[in-house]
Amino acid sequence: AQSVTQLGSHVSVSEGALVLLRCNYSSSVPPYLFWYVQYPNQGLQLLLKYTSAATLVKGINGFEAEFKKSETSFHLTKPSAHMSDAAEYFCAVTGNFGNEKLTFGTGTRLTIIP
Amino acid sequence: GAVVSQHPSRVICKSGTSVKIECRSLDFQATTMFWYRQFPKQSLMLMATSNEGSKATYEQGVEKDKFLINHASLTLSTLTVTSAHPEDSSFYICSAHTPTVDEQYFGPGTRLTVT
Repeated sequence: AQSVTQLGSHVSVSEGALVLLRCNYSSSVPPYLFWYVQYPNQGLQLLLKYTSAATLVKGINGFEAEFKKSETSFHLTKPSAHMSDAAEYFCAVTGNFGNEKLTFGTGTRLTIIP
Repeated sequence: GAVVSQHPSRVICKSGTSVKIECRSLDFQATTMFWYRQFPKQSLMLMATSNEGSKATYEQGVEKDKFLINHASLTLSTLTVTSAHPEDSSFYICSAHTPTVDEQYFGPGTRLTVT
């Protein structure tokens, strides 16, 4: 079984500041980890994914995440926040190659302060 | 990237009626499709997994007779909410998977409001 915990349901950062969204996972098998972004009334857009290759994963829109097995973490970062980054972010885990169900975290709402 | 569409994007129906939501993979064949439900300000919860040509597998607590899922082809899955009630009002999102890639592709979602 897999689960993810996202610490902080709301995160606010100033425009240009570092964005850090936290995700810790639990998995009985080697995990595949994903970060998705959701804008209001829209579906999910994949930001990046970890599939057991490089532990530092770069995604779209300047986001990246590092898989740390020792800490069971997969935190999402972006060096400089932009107003357009304001959205809901979900971390998700699956134990298979994408054809098994995704288990989502509860989400983190990112607000950007001008 | 792969595109998944959902139709309709929004639907309002009266209590007791049925509503069908379509999920299509536009440029790839989806061997597996997933249906999620998202309540306001909450996360996505998997309702069921469907494989083309076979019966859907429902998550615990999801009524299979109320949420009918059909995956008749490799590009189309449908979710029918039967005898809808106001508590079924939610955002329904589908995703599709193809064996050639290691991710699921999500549709834009359908907002269902039952009055």
